[in-house]
Amino acid sequence: DTAVSQTPKYLVTQMGNDKSIKCEQNLGHDTMYWYKQDSKKFLKIMFSYNNKELIINETVPNRFSPKSPDKAHLNLHINSLELGDSAVYFCASSRQESYEQYFGPGTRLTVT
Amino acid sequence: AQKITQTQPGMFVQEKEAVTLDCTYDTSDPSYGLFWYKQPSSGEMIFLIYQGSYDQQNATEGRYSLNFQKARKSANLVISASQLGDSAMYFCAMRELNYGGATNKLIFGTGTLLAVQP
Repeated sequence: DTAVSQTPKYLVTQMGNDKSIKCEQNLGHDTMYWYKQDSKKFLKIMFSYNNKELIINETVPNRFSPKSPDKAHLNLHINSLELGDSAVYFCASSRQESYEQYFGPGTRLTVT
Repeated sequence: AQKITQTQPGMFVQEKEAVTLDCTYDTSDPSYGLFWYKQPSSGEMIFLIYQGSYDQQNATEGRYSLNFQKARKSANLVISASQLGDSAMYFCAMRELNYGGATNKLIFGTGTLLAVQP
């Protein structure tokens, strides 16, 4: 049973394209997150949603737009992709006020 | 601002020996949480251990223990009896609460790449 799943696992696309990454959790958590891991393995939070409401937006360009249709899903849409967007994107979830975050397997995005 | 520092970019350890991965943190919040995650070459992030700032005892989970020294602001991970499968990147992270605890985010260190040698 997959707790936090992401699709696709790999995404290769050209500059200027628009793409989406999907995330689903079956843990019944009410908080979901997107993190970005760059080529130097540094992890940084991008967004956090609680009960479908945006809570954290860490100075991410407007080209990135998260969407949470329900508590179990948090999708990430990226417009006008740039070379610098190449990274591994991790989705995570947690219970409200809980300390542990469960991570998805990551999506490796490569922009050419 | 909260900050996590991992000063060891890479470490080697012989199989079956113990190894300590260093982590220091900086925060002005009296309530915080510290984590260690493991990232093997396959890429997933695996939660290992958690220490709360008010916990009286050091956290332990199987072969993992967290050496929490609050006055020194350090939260080192100790892996006992290293196994080949322990070879991975290890991240120390701190939980920062937001909006009265309605949500939180993790602030990560730069990681330590551990190689276990047979």
